[in-house]
Amino acid sequence: DGGITQSPKYLFRKEGQNVTLSCEQNLNHDAMYWYRQDPGQGLRLIYYSQIVNDFQKGDIAEGYSVSREKKESFPLTVTSAQKNPTAFYLCASSIYVDTEAFFGQGTRLTVV
Amino acid sequence: GESVGLHLPTLSVQEGDNSIINCAYSNSASDYFIWYKQESGKGPQFIIDIRSNMDKRQGQRVTVLLNKTVKHLSLQIAATQPGDSAVYFCAENMGSSNTGKLIFGQGTTLQVKP
Repeated sequence: DGGITQSPKYLFRKEGQNVTLSCEQNLNHDAMYWYRQDPGQGLRLIYYSQIVNDFQKGDIAEGYSVSREKKESFPLTVTSAQKNPTAFYLCASSIYVDTEAFFGQGTRLTVV
Repeated sequence: GESVGLHLPTLSVQEGDNSIINCAYSNSASDYFIWYKQESGKGPQFIIDIRSNMDKRQGQRVTVLLNKTVKHLSLQIAATQPGDSAVYFCAENMGSSNTGKLIFGQGTTLQVKP
């Protein structure tokens, strides 16, 4: 099955710890994105990557980091510097930056 | 900065009626627009898209209208069904001529009454 896979579905983190969210796609898409969604809110862009080994900050990049070493993978690290990390995190990919993006099923991160 | 916004946070319709969900965008450089449907606890699903060189596009039971003069986008759902109940987001993309960011609006919750 072709698609975009996020793991884990639920993640719990202690305050002060870094945590990495996985995002893998086998669609051969160039562009990948990370969004954050808070309850009752829209999606806010954290980071995006148009091509391997390149990525740009979105609107709320502070406290997050990413890497794009492989075309298929775009992991997101939520660092201890992120003041309010509890949220629903969504990864997406698209063939090019100006085509429709396809989303994974999300990772719900809770800080305990 | 650029923003995409929706006029109504919640829309309640009777099953079988037509639904219209509206969206306003502020960036005149945006050249590509997408509507997504999101069910609770899931990722958004692509519904339909439209480029700025068009003013209307039809899919199965859905139509998107684009009015570039007033920077307005709408999604029309014909014969709304209970399975259409979800949150609907519009998104705008300034395309490869800019940063390629895909910016989302706040969303409209569609409630379908049986």
